[in-house]
Amino acid sequence: AQSVTQPDIHITVSEGASLELRCNYSYGATPYLFWYVQSPGQGLQLLLKYFSGDTLVQGIKGFEAEFKRSQSSFNLRKPSVHWSDAAEYFCAVGAFREYGNKLVFGAGTILRVKS
Amino acid sequence: NAGVTQTPKFRVLKTGQSMTLLCAQDMNHEYMYWYRQDPGMGLRLIHYSVGEGTTAKGEVPDGYNVSRLKKQNFLLGLESAAPSQTSVYFCASTSGVLGYTFGSGTRLTVV
Repeated sequence: AQSVTQPDIHITVSEGASLELRCNYSYGATPYLFWYVQSPGQGLQLLLKYFSGDTLVQGIKGFEAEFKRSQSSFNLRKPSVHWSDAAEYFCAVGAFREYGNKLVFGAGTILRVKS
Repeated sequence: NAGVTQTPKFRVLKTGQSMTLLCAQDMNHEYMYWYRQDPGMGLRLIHYSVGEGTTAKGEVPDGYNVSRLKKQNFLLGLESAAPSQTSVYFCASTSGVLGYTFGSGTRLTVV
C-alpha cells in the first residue's frame, strides 16, 4: 500500500523568500504524484501533478515540483513566496494500477508567510 | 459547470442522530471516494466505489455506510453519529486517468 510523509507540520517564510515543502512517498510501482493547496475553510485546489516524463513539473501560481525516484521524493518549490500563498499544502500519491485507484494524502504542511 | 457537488455544506447533529451526505458527479466517472479531513491528519479515505453497485472500505470505515445505486451518486451515511465524527467530509471522483475532482466539502459537527 502507498503512503505519504510530509515531515514539516508548519513552515514560516518571509514574503519574497524561496519555499520548499518536502514530500516523501512509499509505493512499489511508478507513482502518480500530486500537490494540493487548501486555504482556510475552502476546498482542495490542484497545484500540479506528475504522471510520467519530465521529472520537473510546473504548476499553477508559480509552483513547481521535482520527482526524484532515487529519494522517493516530490518536493514542492516556489522561488518567491507571496502573502496569498499562506495555506495548507497536501502531497498525495495515487495508485492508478491497483484496485480502486485510491489517492493517499500526507498529513499536510501549514505555510505561514510573514511580511 | 461539470464537477462534484456535495450536499449539505454544513450540518450540526446531536449524538445518536443519523444523516446522509450526498455526492453527485456529472463527469461519468467510474470511481468515487469519501474522505474525512481532521487537523494534522490530512485526508483519510472512508469508503470508495469502483463502479455502480460496488463499494469498498477505506482506511477509516467504522461508523459509516455507503451506497452507489446510480453511477453519478455516492451516498455516505452515519447511522448513529458520535462526536468523533465531527469533521470535514470531501467527496472525489476520477476516471482513473487524468486525476481527481473534489467537491467543496461538508462541515459536520456532532454535539
